[in-house]
Amino acid sequence: QSALTQPASVSGSPGQSITISCTGTSSDVGSYNLVSWYQQHPGKAPKLMIYEVSKRPSGVSNRFSGSKSGNTASLTISGLQAEDEADYYCCSYAGSGGVFGGGTKLTVL
Amino acid sequence: EVQLVESGGGLVQPGRSLRLSCAASGFTFDDYAMHWVRQAPGKGLEWVSGISWNSGSIGYADSVKGRFTISRDNAKNSLYLQMNSLRAEDTALYYCAKESSRWLQFIIDYWGQGTLVTVSS
Repeated sequence: QSALTQPASVSGSPGQSITISCTGTSSDVGSYNLVSWYQQHPGKAPKLMIYEVSKRPSGVSNRFSGSKSGNTASLTISGLQAEDEADYYCCSYAGSGGVFGGGTKLTVL
Repeated sequence: EVQLVESGGGLVQPGRSLRLSCAASGFTFDDYAMHWVRQAPGKGLEWVSGISWNSGSIGYADSVKGRFTISRDNAKNSLYLQMNSLRAEDTALYYCAKESSRWLQFIIDYWGQGTLVTVSS
């Protein structure tokens, strides 16, 4: 159950697009389409943004999208807005449990 | 409205025990799996344990296996985490979290506000 690998930080200007990667192994990301993404603002509980690799819960902006290739999942945010500045975590089912990524801090310049 | 309210956190000495509780409301508790997820101060999220709707499927992170026990009481709409042999590295904010289905798929659609556990002498 090693943590999934995410970049520590990414940044972008308003209106731009950014992509956050999440690299696991053939025991987690690579074997299951049960990858989810969570947004967490400082001092707040996490919020589900993407589930089952690419599905969006109702109420989540269509600026957020997800994908997967092999052992790496990705979260793309298009049309960056100031309120997107937050920490983002990926999570994957791993057979006997689950594992989160280390988190990525998104800065909107 | 879904509400998850954690309790039971506090300051505890290394090696001692603590039991966390989570009171759920606003949904049919026994239709959903539940999780405990923790976050050490200034650090990322770490999945701790999960339990299916009927307690038939239970999982633990390697870091807590053998020390922590998850359970639920569907009649009381409550989730629990018994934490034994606590270590300094267990210090964290512990979130109670709701799965979106009966089974552990890690699609966590609701989170509580957390209860802080501090392990220190």
